[in-house]
Amino acid sequence: EIVLTQSPGTLSLSPGERATLSCRASQSVSSSYFAWYQQKPGQAPRLLIYGASSRATGIPDRFSGSGSGTDFTLTISRLEPEDFAVYYCQQYGSSSWTFGQGTKVEIK
Amino acid sequence: QVHLVQSGAEVQKPGASVKVSCKASGYKFTDYYMHWVRQAPGQGLEWMGRINPNSGGTDYARSFQGRVTMTRDTSINTVYMEVSRLTSDDMVVYYCAREVGDSDSYYFDYWGQGTLVTVSS
Repeated sequence: EIVLTQSPGTLSLSPGERATLSCRASQSVSSSYFAWYQQKPGQAPRLLIYGASSRATGIPDRFSGSGSGTDFTLTISRLEPEDFAVYYCQQYGSSSWTFGQGTKVEIK
Repeated sequence: QVHLVQSGAEVQKPGASVKVSCKASGYKFTDYYMHWVRQAPGQGLEWMGRINPNSGGTDYARSFQGRVTMTRDTSINTVYMEVSRLTSDDMVVYYCAREVGDSDSYYFDYWGQGTLVTVSS
């Protein structure tokens, strides 16, 4: 099973700042099968990025994804108040899906 | 418009079973795999498995094999997930999620609202 490790665990930033979230895989992952989700308290996760870099429908262009192999990054160019949430990376491989443990983006 | 609506919160005793449903609407039910993901309070997401609503075929995460059963009823566009031999570790929120999957990508584009299962004697 591929293990995804996200860093940092918590990111304390102010609105307007840039957020850079990292996700490292224990072995190489196909970029096509890599996604990012956002989750707010009491809500289901929401798809942000699929195929490592494609934004889902309705996702603002301040969200961008990049990376390949074992290292992937989610960047939020300028944090808006509604962006403070927990972010999860996800991968598919060998008929199994795994998630990272999450990065919390909190208001500084 | 796609909607996944899950059954309501449950309270079960240790050792019992719980069955959670997820009713799909707004698309052709048999065209998309459905997954189940769970989340303990304040914790991350854990993939449990998936079902092919067309064939009924299933894939389970290794940690849930033998204790989780996923089924579907195509007449009412609903998938079910049953967990047996409940313990306090199963006191979590269960989500269903629709898979978009082809040779180019795999991801979950729509999610149910979640079902909280409480395990208490």
